[in-house]
Amino acid sequence: RKEVEQDPGPFNVPEGATVAFNCTYSNSASQSFFWYRQDCRKEPKLLMSVYSSGNEDGRFTAQLNRASQYISLLIRDSKLSDSATYLCVGMEYGNKLVFGAGTILRVKS
Amino acid sequence: DTEVTQTPKHLVMGMTNKKSLKCEQHMGHRAMYWYKQKAKKPPELMFVYSYEKLSINESVPSRFSPECPNSSLLNLHLHALQPEDSALYLCASSQAPLGQGDKNIQYFGAGTRLSVL
Repeated sequence: RKEVEQDPGPFNVPEGATVAFNCTYSNSASQSFFWYRQDCRKEPKLLMSVYSSGNEDGRFTAQLNRASQYISLLIRDSKLSDSATYLCVGMEYGNKLVFGAGTILRVKS
Repeated sequence: DTEVTQTPKHLVMGMTNKKSLKCEQHMGHRAMYWYKQKAKKPPELMFVYSYEKLSINESVPSRFSPECPNSSLLNLHLHALQPEDSALYLCASSQAPLGQGDKNIQYFGAGTRLSVL
């Protein structure tokens, strides 16, 4: 079983749509969680940290449920520029990042 | 400024060559990392340096040799690589090893795309 599991997609959505990504993790000792986005042939860039209380940054909302070991990302009013691979990431002891395989999002006009 | 600079951007080397990848950050971060990313796969951790000391080696073959000469620089020395080592090599840094909250956030450089012939 992979430590961090995501639906690989692709998710093909029209501009303006709301799309949700889910992620599960197996290591209950994981300390912190993040969503990164990665554009084709580019480096991963932090989208947002994920907290149990939930956090929102503009059109993006992230949520962590430690009891269910479940992480989500909601994108509202999708833009063409949101097209990318979204990586669900857990941090283990020693600052080791464990990446999910990524979910591909394609926003179309 | 959250910039991590990696050089070179691209590298082609033969299996008998010796080369080095370089990574630099001037954010005062005290943890630095090397990741390897194969095509269509997520990044995988190779090494972690905390306060210039190697703290994690993810069972990486000895043909990869990391070095941290000071708190701003991280090198990855390459020798006798195999074609399957061709990948994107990413460097990252974070403010504090074992930090809390945003001090955990790792910022990535643009990577070195390595081809081994």
